Amino acid sequence: KAGVTQTPRYLIKTRGQQVTLSCSPISGHRSVSWYQQTPGQGLQFLFEYFSETQRNKGNFPGRFSGRQFSNSRSEMNVSTLELGDSALYLCASSLYRGRGTGELFFGEGSRLTVL
Amino acid sequence: GQQVMQIPQYQHVQEGEDFTTYCNSSTTLSNIQWYKQRPGGHPVFLIQLVKSGEVKKQKRLTFQFGEAKKNSSLHITATQTTDVGTYFCAGEYGNKLVFGAGTILRVKS
Repeated sequence: KAGVTQTPRYLIKTRGQQVTLSCSPISGHRSVSWYQQTPGQGLQFLFEYFSETQRNKGNFPGRFSGRQFSNSRSEMNVSTLELGDSALYLCASSLYRGRGTGELFFGEGSRLTVL
Repeated sequence: GQQVMQIPQYQHVQEGEDFTTYCNSSTTLSNIQWYKQRPGGHPVFLIQLVKSGEVKKQKRLTFQFGEAKKNSSLHITATQTTDVGTYFCAGEYGNKLVFGAGTILRVKS
């Protein structure tokens, strides 16, 4: 079956702009998590959605937001981009069974460069 | 907030040598997961440990979960060039998964 699909794979933006990233989870997976990966900071948790509801949120400013649609697809948005937002944004889906997170299946990521 | 400390940050070994990475948490974990990320790739799930003192093996990889469920290790016996990549642990606190910073493994052939 198809894996987690993220679009776009690469994008370049300038400071002050906004960006929207998309994630389609594995069919049947209702939980979607977003992570920011940078060389110095590793994998930083942004947020997790389940059944269109945000279940958990990391320690990122309000410029970072997300949502999940009824078909489990998810989007994240970053407004007023800063140079430090340059990173690989990874989406992961899981077959949430009501207890714990479960195995995460990651997409290839969206690499954002802010100039 | 909860943190998972992972060491070492980087290890460069000769092919055939063993490799170990360690993760520590100041608070008890519900479970711990391990992931591998090849250069240029995305993290791929390796295993999940749930029980206190649990030990699991996958071929040359041995995973351990501490008795207090606060620490874990991944040991690779006789490394091969295919083992290169970054190994992450991820500790679960309630419903939140927190990743360690990762250990980058390089293997010299």
